[in-house]
Amino acid sequence: SQKIEQNSEALNIQEGKTATLTCNYTNYSPAYLQWYRQDPGRGPVFLLLIRENEKEKRKERLKVTFDTTLKQSLFHITASQPADSATYLCALDSFQKLVFGTGTRLLVSP
Amino acid sequence: GAGVSQSPSNKVTEKGKDVELRCDPISGHTALYWYRQSLGQGLEFLIYFQGNSAPDKSGLPSDRFSAERTGGSVSTLTIQRTQQEDSAVYLCASSLRQRSYEQYFGPGTRLTVT
Repeated sequence: SQKIEQNSEALNIQEGKTATLTCNYTNYSPAYLQWYRQDPGRGPVFLLLIRENEKEKRKERLKVTFDTTLKQSLFHITASQPADSATYLCALDSFQKLVFGTGTRLLVSP
Repeated sequence: GAGVSQSPSNKVTEKGKDVELRCDPISGHTALYWYRQSLGQGLEFLIYFQGNSAPDKSGLPSDRFSAERTGGSVSTLTIQRTQQEDSAVYLCASSLRQRSYEQYFGPGTRLTVT
């Protein structure tokens, strides 16, 4: 069956450290993958899109990697700040439809 | 510019009543989506509109759910004879072109069926 897996347990890290979130998928062949941030009581906000032929994408303190062999994307936030605390969702393309993971909650402590 | 807006932000209704949820997408965005998010769950796709094409209704959970998009802009999601399991946050999103592009979400409508 098709699955998108993100760690359901919250990730707790200290301010200044690098946060790394994982998105694994099974039985999908996405042409691209997206990452969104969701704060409590709000809709998701688009962060980054990475295509299957791109190994890595960066935007300010954010970095995304996409390994189609491992069927995995890693999302990194460097020099993390308490304001980065939120739930992060990965979403992948499946027949031109976006399918979302359940998200991983990140907590950055001062 | 203005983002995606949704109304109402909260709706409490009694089981068996009908509800209408409204979405106003970003101007110029041709694609519009409805999702449902239950507590602790991922986003569940409901329906997708693209320009004047027939909508993709493949995610609607039952025939109690319907949606329309008038004039290629505002959309209304209607749930008839609401059930308690319909309680969730209903999110609307729009994108500039087809569904494969980044989506811009509204704040959602929290529906509670008592």
